[in-house]
Amino acid sequence: GENVEQHPSTLSVQEGDSAVIKCTYSDSASNYFPWYKQELGKGPQLIIDIRSNVGEKKDQRIAVTLNKTAKHFSLHITETQPEDSAVYFCAASNGEYGNKLVFGAGTILRVKS
Amino acid sequence: NAGVTQTPKFQVLKTGQSMTLQCAQDMNHNSMYWYRQDPGMGLRLIYYSASEGTTDKGEVPNGYNVSRLNKREFSLRLESAAPSQTSVYFCASSEWGGLGGEQYFGPGTRLTVT
Repeated sequence: GENVEQHPSTLSVQEGDSAVIKCTYSDSASNYFPWYKQELGKGPQLIIDIRSNVGEKKDQRIAVTLNKTAKHFSLHITETQPEDSAVYFCAASNGEYGNKLVFGAGTILRVKS
Repeated sequence: NAGVTQTPKFQVLKTGQSMTLQCAQDMNHNSMYWYRQDPGMGLRLIYYSASEGTTDKGEVPNGYNVSRLNKREFSLRLESAAPSQTSVYFCASSEWGGLGGEQYFGPGTRLTVT
């Protein structure tokens, strides 16, 4: 089955700097890659997603890139702010069983002001 | 709209006890999911229901059962709790069960089994 690895497990950046989180997946049939943000004491919330027919997608300060050949995708956050501090999860799905997602282990992002 | 609600928020069980975690959504979504979250392991799918009347196993179904009571409600039952089931449990829903549907998560239930 699918396996998703996520790095780094923790990331500290200074406010205003950029943050990059990387994920690799094992199933070449995977074709949907969402990113979720989880704030303390809450459930995860979708922040951006990308499908396999697109190499990059942006939404204001957040972008995701996908390299299908290398089977990895990354989350880029520019001009980080203290409210970006949270746990970020990547996930992958091949659609074989509908909307089943396989998640990475998560990255704790701390933005220092 | 309350979105996805879960009860209880916290629960402590002794080994061998049973309990049911409740989940309800008011977004008229077709698909619902149960995940568990453990430190360093992300979220792992326990069971899901693509539509009312159907349920399927996820990655880690052993020790759990589910019931899709109606379109709104999806419950998770632990028949004989074990310490390995100590975790935070999240329920989620999506508009449809097809690829790419955004999943909306509830606030979670923190379960401790002693």
